[in-house]
Amino acid sequence: EAGVVQSPRYKIIEKKQPVAFWCNPISGHNTLYWYLQNLGQGPELLIRYENEEAVDDSQLPKDRFSAERLKGVDSTLKIQPAELGDSAVYLCASSSFHSTDTQYFGPGTRLTVL
Amino acid sequence: GQQVMQIPQYQHVQEGEDFTTYCNSSTTLSNIQWYKQRPGGHPVFLIQLVKSGEVKKQKRLTFQFGEAKKNSSLHITATQTTDVGTYFCAPTTSGTYKYIFGTGTRLKVLA
Repeated sequence: EAGVVQSPRYKIIEKKQPVAFWCNPISGHNTLYWYLQNLGQGPELLIRYENEEAVDDSQLPKDRFSAERLKGVDSTLKIQPAELGDSAVYLCASSSFHSTDTQYFGPGTRLTVL
Repeated sequence: GQQVMQIPQYQHVQEGEDFTTYCNSSTTLSNIQWYKQRPGGHPVFLIQLVKSGEVKKQKRLTFQFGEAKKNSSLHITATQTTDVGTYFCAPTTSGTYKYIFGTGTRLKVLA
């Protein structure tokens, strides 16, 4: 079984530029999460989807961050415009309906904003 | 926001020594998950604890959930270099801080 797929793995951009991250969850997993992880810290939830519905986006900085999961499968996280402080690893995770507390993480996208 | 504290923050041990990390919450938890993240890697699910006082073992790893369901521990017996990484607890609750990861304990094993 394929795991959670994320792309790109690395991204370097200049501040004020837009950037987008893509995630394909494990097949059949209806819950998808986007996390931000700063160096030396634990993952912090940005948004959680149940199918195509964003059920928890309270920690998503909506002035510059947006996310979508149009068909309840793949998801895209966008930052526009990026700031220096956005440099971090962006992790996508998914879980199944029967075991929502067991999350499977993708390899992450390491973003560097110059 | 609400934090889940883990202690210690760092631990260096000689290979073969034991290691324990503790996860503490100020409120009662529904259940708790443990994850391991290797350097440069992503968090990998280890185990879930649900019942008060529950103890689960995975080879050299022993996981325990407190009787009051407010704390948990992970104990590694006779550490190996493959145990290197950061161990996170991730409690869940029906209340205010669902899906919050602990601060993590970074383990280094010296050969």
